[in-house]
Amino acid sequence: GENVEQHPSTLSVQEGDSAVIKCTYSDSASNYFPWYKQELGKRPQLIIDIRSNVGEKKDQRIAVTLNKTAKHFSLHITETQPEDSAVYFCAASTSGTYKYIFGTGTRLKVLA
Amino acid sequence: SAVISQKPSRDICQRGTSLTIQCQVDSQVTMMFWYRQQPGQSLTLIATANQGSEATYESGFVIDKFPISRPNLTFSTLTVSNMSPEDSSIYLCSVGSDRRGTDTQYFGPGTRLTVL
Repeated sequence: GENVEQHPSTLSVQEGDSAVIKCTYSDSASNYFPWYKQELGKRPQLIIDIRSNVGEKKDQRIAVTLNKTAKHFSLHITETQPEDSAVYFCAASTSGTYKYIFGTGTRLKVLA
Repeated sequence: SAVISQKPSRDICQRGTSLTIQCQVDSQVTMMFWYRQQPGQSLTLIATANQGSEATYESGFVIDKFPISRPNLTFSTLTVSNMSPEDSSIYLCSVGSDRRGTDTQYFGPGTRLTVL
């Protein structure tokens, strides 16, 4: 079955710097890759997603890139702010199944 | 996106007892799911709640331990039965977007369960 690895487990950056979180998946049938942000005590919130027919997607300070050949995708956050501090989860899914396999999560700390 | 609520938001229970968690959505949705998030861990899918039929459970989860109901397209319950301290987790429901061509899931606020 699908397996999703996520790195790093923790990441500290200075405010204004960029942060990059990487995920690798194993099932070549996976074609939908959402990213969720979970603040302490809150529900996971979808922040961006990408499908396998697209190599990159951007939404303001957040971007996601996908390399289908290497089976990895990455979240890029530019100009980080303290409110970006949270745990970020990647996931992989096959379209139509709705079955998400989540990565292990990355705890991002943005230092003011 | 749909507005999703869960009850209770948290509970402290004694081992051997059962707790039923409710998930309510403000619009009809086809797909509803139940996840478990153990302390400091990622999210693990327990089951897909099917309207009008038995839930579809993932490997490692069984109906006797986690019975699920889905009486209509806006409501589902998850029961955690015969609880032990290892069941202490956050339980989240999620719904799949009914927009064609999307597989997006939106999560409820979660139920924080502590078993003593």
